[in-house]
Amino acid sequence: RKEVEQDPGPFNVPEGATVAFNCTYSNSASQSFFWYRQDCRKEPKLLMSVYSSGNEDGRFTAQLNRASQYISLLIRDSKLSDSATYLCVVNDYTDKLIFGTGTRLQVFP
Amino acid sequence: DTGVSQDPRHKITKRGQNVTFRCDPISEHNRLYWYRQTLGQGPEFLTYFQNEAQLEKSRLLSDRFSAERPKGSFSTLEIQRTEQGDSAMYLCASSPSRGPNEQFFGPGTRLTVL
Repeated sequence: RKEVEQDPGPFNVPEGATVAFNCTYSNSASQSFFWYRQDCRKEPKLLMSVYSSGNEDGRFTAQLNRASQYISLLIRDSKLSDSATYLCVVNDYTDKLIFGTGTRLQVFP
Repeated sequence: DTGVSQDPRHKITKRGQNVTFRCDPISEHNRLYWYRQTLGQGPEFLTYFQNEAQLEKSRLLSDRFSAERPKGSFSTLEIQRTEQGDSAMYLCASSPSRGPNEQFFGPGTRLTVL
């Protein structure tokens, strides 16, 4: 079983739609959680950290459920520029990040 | 530009040759990481430095791979006797010594082994 699992997609949504991505992780000792965004052939860029209380940044909302070992990302009012791969990332008691394989999002006009 | 930089951005080499990549982290960041990413996968951890000390190495890092960070600033990753399976994007990231370990990535070095 992979340490971080994501649906690879692709998710094809029209502009203005709301889309949600889910992710599960296997290590209950995981301490920090993140969503990264990666454009084609570019480096991953930190989108947001995920906190137990949930957090929001503009159109993006992240949730963490430690009991179910589940992380989510909600994107409201999708823009064409949101088209990218979204990587779910966890950090256990060591300092390395463990990445999921990513979920590809394609927003169309 | 005060972000993480990597050099070269692209490297094409023949099987059996040695290659070396360089990473310059964000200047105030003490932690430096190397990852490898292949097509369709997320980045995989290779190794990690806290200042000049190499604190962890993945089992992915075979004996042909070596990394250094001699003065606690820039880092190099060397691959000896390259194999076609080494073809990948090699990513460097850095993070500050305190806080939730938010890591910031450089643009990567894309290695192609012929």
